[in-house]
Amino acid sequence: QVQLQESGPGLVKPSETLSLTCTVSGGSISSYYWSWIRQPPGKGLEWIGYIYYSGSTNYNPSLKSRVTISVDTSKNQFSLKLSSVTAADTAVYYCARVITTIFGVVKYGMDVWGQGTTVTVSS
Amino acid sequence: QSALTQPASVSGSPGQSITISCTGTSSDVGGYNYVSWYQQHPGKAPKLMIYEVSNRPSGVPDRFSGSKSGNTASLTISGLQAEDEADYYCSSYTSSSTDVVFGGGTKLTVL
Repeated sequence: QVQLQESGPGLVKPSETLSLTCTVSGGSISSYYWSWIRQPPGKGLEWIGYIYYSGSTNYNPSLKSRVTISVDTSKNQFSLKLSSVTAADTAVYYCARVITTIFGVVKYGMDVWGQGTTVTVSS
Repeated sequence: QSALTQPASVSGSPGQSITISCTGTSSDVGGYNYVSWYQQHPGKAPKLMIYEVSNRPSGVPDRFSGSKSGNTASLTISGLQAEDEADYYCSSYTSSSTDVVFGGGTKLTVL
């Protein structure tokens, strides 16, 4: 079955750019929407944004000015970049597959999740 | 402050039924049938339990059910089991801002 794995640095300095990659295995990245979600320590979930395999994106307005999500179908991967990070960006970052119909309609439920990766912003 | 409102905690004894509410507005829960529920055990990734208000993914026990009335969605767990103890989050599509909003989460304790 489809599995997701996040990868990237666990420590990022303030004002720098956080970069994470999600590798999709056991299935194709095509025909689905893919999402990034984060969870600060001891807090709830926050949606960051999603991308369709074709490259169209949608971002949380509160992060939009700092977020870029991209896809590489040849590598079956999608990525997250978050610029100008502060301590408030310290969180567990999850990638997830979004339920998508065969007609490309997004259904917003996220049915496959990566295990999550902890990113700490500190000098 | 989360866009969707959930109780901070609920509890129940094994075998009982509990319901977790998720209250939004007509711009999210009340206006669309895109409510999802997630279960999260400590240190683990969330798991999808319900999507589109009341649909269960393959493998989720039928003890878990979802419903919606007006601007409030509900997750009901019947025949409560010890392994159901976890945090539960609702989410919904929203037309007002972020596209996807989450509730603040509810800690379920099985007594």
